[in-house]
Amino acid sequence: ILNVEQSPQSLHVQEGDSTNFTCSFPSSNFYALHWYRWETAKSPEALFVMTLNGDEKKKGQISATLNTKEGYSYLYIKGSQPEDSATYLCAFKRTRQLTFGSGTQLTVLP
Amino acid sequence: DTEVTQTPKHLVMGMTNKKSLKCEQHMGHRAMYWYKQKAKKPPELMFVYSYEKLSINESVPSRFSPECPNSSLLNLHLHALQPEDSALYLCASSHDPTGGETQYFGPGTRLLVL
Repeated sequence: ILNVEQSPQSLHVQEGDSTNFTCSFPSSNFYALHWYRWETAKSPEALFVMTLNGDEKKKGQISATLNTKEGYSYLYIKGSQPEDSATYLCAFKRTRQLTFGSGTQLTVLP
Repeated sequence: DTEVTQTPKHLVMGMTNKKSLKCEQHMGHRAMYWYKQKAKKPPELMFVYSYEKLSINESVPSRFSPECPNSSLLNLHLHALQPEDSALYLCASSHDPTGGETQYFGPGTRLLVL
């Protein structure tokens, strides 16, 4: 069984706060790690695809790091805004297709 | 155009009904996917089509029948569903069928089986 764990399950922060959450995955036979942002009633939107140990990716105020040896990825949001409120999903690929975590639900309060 | 469209947005059906979910993309992607998501759970892969051929069936019951009429369209035919099949059904596509590239998702069809 391939488990992808995300923590915390949910998070409330104030506008302007920086925040981060974790995706843990099996460290063996790693292929790729995806991050998606999913707003209610919309399509999941791809943020990053990360493949190399030590990768760091950035998109606006959102960045992600990857440690394939220990099996985790962090997603950081600097200066959160209410429009950053969404569920952030990670998905792990080893041999077959993507296996998703349950997501971290972020609420940014104005 | 990076959009994946799905119809209908919502569907209510009885256990004896036959219905179909539709998915369409015009990005020239050669891989298309069906996922099922129950509340508070991660999306679970159901089927993968690669170059219009079914390449992965994750042991899905036969009451779900996928179809890929051409490279832009993906259908999911539903027959004799159970109430526990109520879920959000997501379609996705990607350029590369091996799963390493970004998948583009539709907004999903929310299905209720009575």
